[in-house]
Amino acid sequence: GAGVSQSPRYKVAKRGQDVALRCDPISGHVSLFWYQQALGQGPEFLTYFQNEAQLDKSGLPSDRFFAERPEGSVSTLKIQRTQQEDSAVYLCASSLGFRADTYGYTFGSGTRLTVV
Amino acid sequence: RKEVEQDPGPFNVPEGATVAFNCTYSNSASQSFFWYRQDCRKEPKLLMSVYSSGNEDGRFTAQLNRASQYISLLIRDSKLSDSATYLCVVNNPDKAAGNKLTFGGGTRVLVKP
Repeated sequence: GAGVSQSPRYKVAKRGQDVALRCDPISGHVSLFWYQQALGQGPEFLTYFQNEAQLDKSGLPSDRFFAERPEGSVSTLKIQRTQQEDSAVYLCASSLGFRADTYGYTFGSGTRLTVV
Repeated sequence: RKEVEQDPGPFNVPEGATVAFNCTYSNSASQSFFWYRQDCRKEPKLLMSVYSSGNEDGRFTAQLNRASQYISLLIRDSKLSDSATYLCVVNNPDKAAGNKLTFGGGTRVLVKP
């Protein structure tokens, strides 16, 4: 597609519920990133894929967070047993090459998760 | 200490005026620097890269000071449409860290008539 597509745009989850957030990057983009943005804060890095390989997951806040990109295209971020502190906007970004600092990121519109 | 720090603002700017703000970064090995713009409830979008010699893009000027580890953004002749949050972004050069960019918390700019 023309841009990075994320779904759903909004998700309300009851505390303890599992959620799955989808990211469809720009076709042909090698690198894919997930960020978490709390209200009034800058985006915080969660994890990074190069094709299907998850090269960095140092930002995932707990073992309740899991991400995958099995065929090197679409990615899913899963949060198990959601907690109120998980409420945030989850942003996906993709980059053409292996070096995002050369090519920059293109962000999707994000998924706004509210845990009640 | 956060890797990338910004004054959150808001900077209240009269239309037509000039505004400038800085961002400091902690990793002296960082090589790539960017300014992103984020409108309310929208995703961040690349505004401009920051080059060592400084660079200009229309009314926007970015500067890099490696010795003091800060970058700056200056907006001339401010327009109402410049109202947004400006995110300072720095690469993490550690190979083990992969390829990620680190974002500051953002500086909010409000341009008023």
